[in-house]
Amino acid sequence: QKEVEQNSGPLSVPEGAIASLNCTYSDRGSQSFFWYRQYSGKSPELIMSIYSNGDKEDGRFTAQLNKASQYVSLLIRDSQPSDSATYLCAVNPRDSSYKLIFGSGTRLLVRP
Amino acid sequence: DADVTQTPRNRITKTGKRIMLECSQTKGHDRMYWYRQDPGLGLRLIYYSFDVKDINKGEISDGYSVSRQAQAKFSLSLESAIPNQTALYFCATSDPSDGSEAFFGQGTRLTVV
Repeated sequence: QKEVEQNSGPLSVPEGAIASLNCTYSDRGSQSFFWYRQYSGKSPELIMSIYSNGDKEDGRFTAQLNKASQYVSLLIRDSQPSDSATYLCAVNPRDSSYKLIFGSGTRLLVRP
Repeated sequence: DADVTQTPRNRITKTGKRIMLECSQTKGHDRMYWYRQDPGLGLRLIYYSFDVKDINKGEISDGYSVSRQAQAKFSLSLESAIPNQTALYFCATSDPSDGSEAFFGQGTRLTVV
């Protein structure tokens, strides 16, 4: 079992819709969770970080964390074509000494 | 200027050659990382360093070596490059007082022919 799993996609949504991206992780003791956006050929950039159960909202983005289910998600409201990118989930495992483990990413395509 | 700078940005090298990728940072972070990215495989950790005297292997360290010359500098070397090391390489930094998130350099696209 991979430590951090994401559906590779592509996830295709129409402009203005809600895009829902999901991530599961294997280490139940993980403490910190991050969503990065990566455009093709570019470096990942941080979108959201979340550390406790529940929802965290920042503009059009909402991160949701459920530690009991070992599940973290990212919702993008009012999706725009400029949101088309690969979204990477990253986790600090309990024994990591702060190194990050990345999922393979979900490619999002927002159709105009 | 970028907080995390990688050089070179692009490099084509021949099989068997030694090549060094360099990374420098101005964020003052102690922790530095080298990741490799291949299509469909996400980011895989090659090496990481928590200070100048603390260097650790990641999940795919074979064929690579690193040097932490200073808090701000972390270099990755391919001792004898092979074609399956063709990939996009990223350097990153983090600090627990800064939320443990990783800050990435612009990436180095390496092609081994």
